[in-house]
Amino acid sequence: DQQVKQNSPSLSVQEGRISILNCDYTNSMFDYFLWYKKYPAEGPTFLISISSIKDKNEDGRFTVFLNKSAKHLSLHIVPSQPGDSAVYFCAAKRAGTASKLTFGTGTRLQVTL
Amino acid sequence: DARVTQTPRHKVTEMGQEVTMRCQPILGHNTVFWYRQTMMQGLELLAYFRNRAPLDDSGMPKDRFSAEMPDATLATLKIQPSEPRDSAVYFCASGLAPTGAGANVLTFGAGSRLTVL
Repeated sequence: DQQVKQNSPSLSVQEGRISILNCDYTNSMFDYFLWYKKYPAEGPTFLISISSIKDKNEDGRFTVFLNKSAKHLSLHIVPSQPGDSAVYFCAAKRAGTASKLTFGTGTRLQVTL
Repeated sequence: DARVTQTPRHKVTEMGQEVTMRCQPILGHNTVFWYRQTMMQGLELLAYFRNRAPLDDSGMPKDRFSAEMPDATLATLKIQPSEPRDSAVYFCASGLAPTGAGANVLTFGAGSRLTVL
């Protein structure tokens, strides 16, 4: 059972435009959410996170939105840059389980010139 | 620049052979995780340790997989015997377990790509 779902395997966006990556979850016990970015032949690297008590967190060009009632979060990248081309993983942590993350299947973002 | 080191980076082996993957976590980190990346499942958690003690290995096929932390600087993941369906990229990650709310940020190694023929 996939508790964290990223239904779009890929996304293509023009440079300078906004990229929106989506993630849905099913477990209402999740209390912390993270986004990781992965380049080919490298490990995932942490990008941004949000606690379930918030609905938005912003860091430079990256903003994560959380809609708890819909069990949905999204990552906005604006403006998108070619260097943002990578696979993005959504991850979630269940309350009471420090550090144990459940990941989605990833979305491949391609930023075109 | 602290990093998680994984060896080997690539391994090709034949079905039935034993495979051992090694991980050196970041010095001072007290949690270590093993994940497997597949196209269908994304990043699956196989096992994790806190202060070298195994906390959860429910994601691991117990009959053929085993994970250990002989000391604080080494984590191992062993597959015996290996099967073609084990072909995947295996990632090790380490972090500092938070004392309060939230989750610690995990630092991942570059992965070990395993191909079982």
